[in-house]
Amino acid sequence: QKEVEQDPGPLSVPEGAIVSLNCTYSNSAFQYFMWYRQYSRKGPELLMYTYSSGNKEDGRFTAQVDKSSKYISLFIRDSQPSDSATYLCAPHLRGAQKLVFGQGTRLTINP
Amino acid sequence: DSGVTQTPKHLITATGQRVTLRCSPRSGDLSVYWYQQSLDQGLQFLIQYYNGEERAKGNILERFSAQQFPDLHSELNLSSLELGDSALYFCASSVGGTPTHYGYTFGSGTRLTVV
Repeated sequence: QKEVEQDPGPLSVPEGAIVSLNCTYSNSAFQYFMWYRQYSRKGPELLMYTYSSGNKEDGRFTAQVDKSSKYISLFIRDSQPSDSATYLCAPHLRGAQKLVFGQGTRLTINP
Repeated sequence: DSGVTQTPKHLITATGQRVTLRCSPRSGDLSVYWYQQSLDQGLQFLIQYYNGEERAKGNILERFSAQQFPDLHSELNLSSLELGDSALYFCASSVGGTPTHYGYTFGSGTRLTVV
C-alpha cells in the first residue's frame, strides 16, 4: 500500500464550479497536511497547510483533514482558469526526513 | 522566483551518457533535496544533503549520485543513462535538516530527455 494515495485525474470542470481534491494516507502519525500546487513546467509551490484535524480556509481554498479516516481534502470555490494546475498532497510527520507526496491530481478549469 | 536555482532547464542526451544537474539552494537554507518526477510515478524522493553531508536516501539508483559542496550548492550526477531516466528532476531546499510544516521550496526543475 502506498503511503499517500491520490487520484491522478485528469479532472476538468467549468469556471465557477466547486472543486474537490482528495488524498488518503496510511500513517496515522502524520501531523501536518500540506497542499502543493504545480503549474505546467514549474516546480511545486506550497499552497496551504493544516495541523491535525479540522478545516482551514484561505480565500477561495479550504483544506480539510479527517484523521479518523485518514482523508485529506482541498476545496476550491469559484474556480478560475488560473487554478488549472496539478495539486499534490503531502502529509508530514514532524522530524521525518523528507516529504512524501501523492501522485498529484491534474486539474483544468474551462472558461 | 522561488530562490532555488536549477541548471540547466533542459537537457537532451543519448543513452549511456552521463549528465550533471546543478542546484543552488535558497539563501540561508542548509538542506537540499532531490526528487524525480515522471508521469506514472509522481514525485519520488532521491536523496537529501544537509550542510554538506548525506542525510537521507530514497529510491536512488546506483547509477545516480549526488554531493553538496561547501558553498551549499548541490549536484546530481546521472550516469549510464537509460530511456526510462527521462523525467523532471527537482531540487528543493529547507533551512534545517528536516522539513517543517512549511515544507520546502522547490526550484523550477531540469527536464531530462534521454534519446
